[in-house]
Amino acid sequence: KQEVTQIPAALSVPEGENLVLNCSFTDSAIYNLQWFRQDPGKGLTSLLLIQSSQREQTSGRLNASLDKSSGRSTLYIAASQPGDSATYLCAAATDSWGKLQFGAGTQVVVTP
Amino acid sequence: EAQVTQNPRYLITVTGKKLTVTCSQNMNHEYMSWYRQDPGLGLRQIYYSMNVEVTDKGDVPEGYKVSRKEKRNFPLILESPSPNQTSLYFCASSLGTGNILGQYFGPGTRLTVT
Repeated sequence: KQEVTQIPAALSVPEGENLVLNCSFTDSAIYNLQWFRQDPGKGLTSLLLIQSSQREQTSGRLNASLDKSSGRSTLYIAASQPGDSATYLCAAATDSWGKLQFGAGTQVVVTP
Repeated sequence: EAQVTQNPRYLITVTGKKLTVTCSQNMNHEYMSWYRQDPGLGLRQIYYSMNVEVTDKGDVPEGYKVSRKEKRNFPLILESPSPNQTSLYFCASSLGTGNILGQYFGPGTRLTVT
C-alpha cells in the first residue's frame, strides 16, 4: 500500500526566505502527484499537479519537482510572505481514476 | 464557476441519529469521492464512485453509505453516527481516467457527534 510522508510536520521561517517542503512516497508507480494548500478550518486549494511523466511544474513563486525513482517530490516557495502561512499537503494518485493517498501535511508559519 | 459544494458546512448531532451530507459538482465529472480528515491521520478516503451507480469502498468505509443516482450528486450517509465519526469531511471530484486536471475539493463539512 502506498504511504506518503511529509517531513517536517511544522516549519517556521522569516518573511522573504525560500520555503522547501518535502514529500516522499513508497511506491513509485504513481499517476500523478498533487500539492494542496489548506488554511485553518478550510478546504483544500490545489496548487500544482505533476503528471508521472513530468519532472516539474511551476506557477508563479511555486515550483514542484518530482523524482519517481527516489520516491520524492519537493515544493519550493520563493520569497515567502506571511500570506503563505498554511498547511501544505501532498497527495499521490495511485490509480488512473485519481484515488489519492495523502501525506499528513507540513504546517508553515511565515513570520513578518 | 466550476465548483464542488457540500451541505451542511457544520453539523452537530447525537449518537444514532441518521444524517446525510450532500455533495454536488457542476463540472460533469465522472469520478467523485469522500474523505475524512483527522488530526495526525491526514485525509483518508471513505468511498468513491467512478460513475452513476458505480461505487466502491475506500480505506475507511465502516459506518458510512453512499449512493450515485445522478452524475452530479454523491451524498454521504451515516445511518447511525457514533462519536468516532466526529471529523472534517471533504467531497472531491475529477474527470476520471487519466486524472489530467487533478481533483477538485469541496469546502468541507465539520461534523460533531455527541
